[in-house]
Amino acid sequence: DVKVTQSSRYLVKRTGEKVFLECVQDMDHENMFWYRQDPGLGLRLIYFSYDVKMKEKGDIPEGYSVSREKKERFSLILESASTNQTSMYLCLSWGNTEAFFGQGTRLTVV
Amino acid sequence: KNQVEQSPQSLIILEGKNCTLQCNYTVSPFSNLRWYKQDTGRGPVSLTIMTFSENTKSNGRYTATLDADTKQSSLHITASQLSDSASYICVVSEGSNYQLIWGAGTKLIIKP
Repeated sequence: DVKVTQSSRYLVKRTGEKVFLECVQDMDHENMFWYRQDPGLGLRLIYFSYDVKMKEKGDIPEGYSVSREKKERFSLILESASTNQTSMYLCLSWGNTEAFFGQGTRLTVV
Repeated sequence: KNQVEQSPQSLIILEGKNCTLQCNYTVSPFSNLRWYKQDTGRGPVSLTIMTFSENTKSNGRYTATLDADTKQSSLHITASQLSDSASYICVVSEGSNYQLIWGAGTKLIIKP
């Protein structure tokens, strides 16, 4: 029944490491989004994609990149993790009549 | 500027009581409005989606209303249960459907 799967629930990485967060959906949605969520700041859009190989910057793209090689998979990449990227990361898969989040990845950068 | 504002920021009620959460928006053009429930440490889960022509939609004990003229939506929870303790987030989709404008959420706590 799981529709959107994020690769990890919890991750601990060291400063400077390259980090990959994977998101896979099985609903054939074209639109996928990556958000981070921090206390008091709500959901902030990092990147989104409306088609394979298409990507658009969101509100806070600095320090992140994305990859959408296949329709079902949208990856978020932290090129060189920093402590201020410690956060909850949420993937959203968005269709015309339905939209589902993944379970979230709690990333801690030490 | 497209905005979504939710009120109250937080709410504490006793188990069994009803409550209403508010969402006001200035998003234009409007496509649809959704309410999500987010348990602590989890991804948000969709409760309802409403388009321009719909003014009421129910999902069990949750009833959402939409007034497109005043650009207001509410989420009414009936006979609250302890499991209703969560954050409730309103999101409005702009006409293109790529732009999602999120509210900051209302944190609801149900006390026994």
